[in-house]
Formats: sequence, C-alpha cells, structure tokens
Amino acid sequence: EVQLVQSGGGLVVPGGSLRLSCEGSGVSLTTFNMNWVRQAPGKGLEWVSYIDRSGGRGIVLYADSVRGRFTISRDNGKNSLYLQMNSLRTEDTAVYYCVRENRGFDPWGQGTLVTVSS
Amino acid sequence: QSALTQPPSVSGAPGQTVTISCTGSSSNLGAGYDVHWYQQLPGTAPKVVLYHSDIRPPGVPDRFSGSKSGTSASLAITGLQADDEADYYCQSFDDSLSGTVFGGGTKVTVL
Repeated sequence: EVQLVQSGGGLVVPGGSLRLSCEGSGVSLTTFNMNWVRQAPGKGLEWVSYIDRSGGRGIVLYADSVRGRFTISRDNGKNSLYLQMNSLRTEDTAVYYCVRENRGFDPWGQGTLVTVSS
Repeated sequence: QSALTQPPSVSGAPGQTVTISCTGSSSNLGAGYDVHWYQQLPGTAPKVVLYHSDIRPPGVPDRFSGSKSGTSASLAITGLQADDEADYYCQSFDDSLSGTVFGGGTKVTVL
C-alpha cells in the first residue's frame, strides 16, 4: 500500500521543541519535492514548508508564521522527511501532514497532532 | 485572510450541481500557476480530486470537473451524492508569499 507514515507529534509546553518524521512506505520520496501542511482544530489548511528533491543544498521555503523557528530536512537514503520545530507557540497547535508533490499534493500522511500548551 | 478566496459553504439537493469558486490574484492564479482541488472528509487527510485545474486522478468520478481562467478557478460537482458532503480546498503557488497557498475551504452540504 502506498502511504506516508508520520511520527513524532505530542504535547509540548510553549517554547519547547518537537521533531516530526515522515517515511515513505511503498512510495518513493527521493525524486519528489516535499511539503508540510498543518490544520489547526476546526480550521482550514495552512502550508508550512517545502523542500525540493535534492535536499541539502536545494531550495527550502517557509511560511512567514514559522520562518526562523522551523527547519525542514530530508534523508533520501532513508526515504524520509523531517520537520524540526523550535520555540513552539500555542498557535502552532495543529494536525501536521507531510505530503508529496505529485500531480498536486499526493499522497498525504495520516497526520500527527501537535499540541502546544502549558 | 487567505490569498485564495472560497465561499464558506455551498449546498444542493441530491442530483443537483454545485460549483465552488476560488478567486486569486495576479501573484498566484493570474501568474499562471496551477490550481489543485482537495476533498477532506471529517477526521481524514485531504485527498486530491482535481490537479492541474481539470485532471481527475484515478478513482475520482467524472461528476467532478474544473476550470481556470485568469485569476479564478472553479470546481463543479454534478449529480450531487450524499458522500460528496465534505470540505473542499483549492491550492496554488503565490509569488508574493513565495510559497503554496490554500483557499479557506468550502463546506459542501447535501440537503
């Protein structure tokens, strides 16, 4: 089955850090650009970050709301994508999805909930 | 305020047609960037129903169609069915924001 398997969410206090992971299962990530998208409770979709297929020295982009606090990276050898989230704020509380760029955004990971609360 | 504007909700009776608009600007749709559409059922991840404006992935019924012109795009669902009830989002890229943008989402209700 083609899927993106996410891990790493949870509860964290404001100012804390979390690292999200996303691994391709039955699907290659290595030759595709990748993104993180989040959805706050009861709200719409918000794009978070992008990394091109080359990883290391390639293009990375961030939404204004997370720039300087979040870092996207990938390990093509492990067919995996990561999001390091630092200086977390209550407004970062959301379900985070990893998603491959292929004919739009497809497929999507199952989502992982990040809750920032004291 | 989203860079892409969608109506918050649309509704229709079974069998009818509903259309969801997605209005952008010269920095996204008007700049020639593709628009993609997603369906999100409650408690699930979004799923692409149209990509590159009007192409349906395998498994998406031909009741779903799309178009794009200038700074606007639209998604039409004909022969509305109960399982079409979901949230729908348009998506594109924006030069000014240097990133992907989503519309605010439209809730489709089948009466």
